[in-house]
Amino acid sequence: DAKTTQPPSMDCAEGRAANLPCNHSTISGNEYVYWYRQIHSQGPQYIIHGLKNNETNEMASLIITEDRKSSTLILPHATLRDTAVYYCIARNRDDKIIFGKGTRLHILP
Amino acid sequence: DAGVTQSPTHLIKTRGQHVTLRCSPISGHKSVSWYQQVLGQGPQFIFQYYEKEERGRGNFPDRFSARQFPNYSSELNVNALLLGDSALYLCASKSATGGLVDTQYFGPGTRLTVL
Repeated sequence: DAKTTQPPSMDCAEGRAANLPCNHSTISGNEYVYWYRQIHSQGPQYIIHGLKNNETNEMASLIITEDRKSSTLILPHATLRDTAVYYCIARNRDDKIIFGKGTRLHILP
Repeated sequence: DAGVTQSPTHLIKTRGQHVTLRCSPISGHKSVSWYQQVLGQGPQFIFQYYEKEERGRGNFPDRFSARQFPNYSSELNVNALLLGDSALYLCASKSATGGLVDTQYFGPGTRLTVL
């Protein structure tokens, strides 16, 4: 699995869009970009994933650059409940997930 | 539908003891993976099982073992517990293995404290 790089922490005002960047410059053609988040002491929660195209679901949007070397997770209207550690992961067919240290997102009231 | 369930929620053991953690996957999911998360770190892969067979193993000592049952539930066993085994143990399930990349869904975890 490709290594990903994320900022260790970010702040976002409540109600604003939270944009979380992820660098995966060594990603290969068959590796998907996955995002999970982990609220304190809970299991990681799946958010979204994509391969090449931008994706959107009820939780978030995923924007992947054309060269696939980076991506951005967008939470459109952040709430206090979005405070968590967000993990960006590049996966292929392997069954294991390699987690990095993620980004600790603080939502400010 | 119920998500991935794990038991117990919390557990306290002493050094040298043995522990068994249990996981029930999402209905219809045949693959179960186990992860260890030490405080302040991301989860680390321990095992993956599919159709009762081990399909992957992380860099963990032989004190760690697991198995999967015909109903696809799974147990993680840790022998000769060390203080460093204190962690949140996470179970994740997915519907299939191989082919397309399938999304793994995590349970709430079991918090193990070794004294």
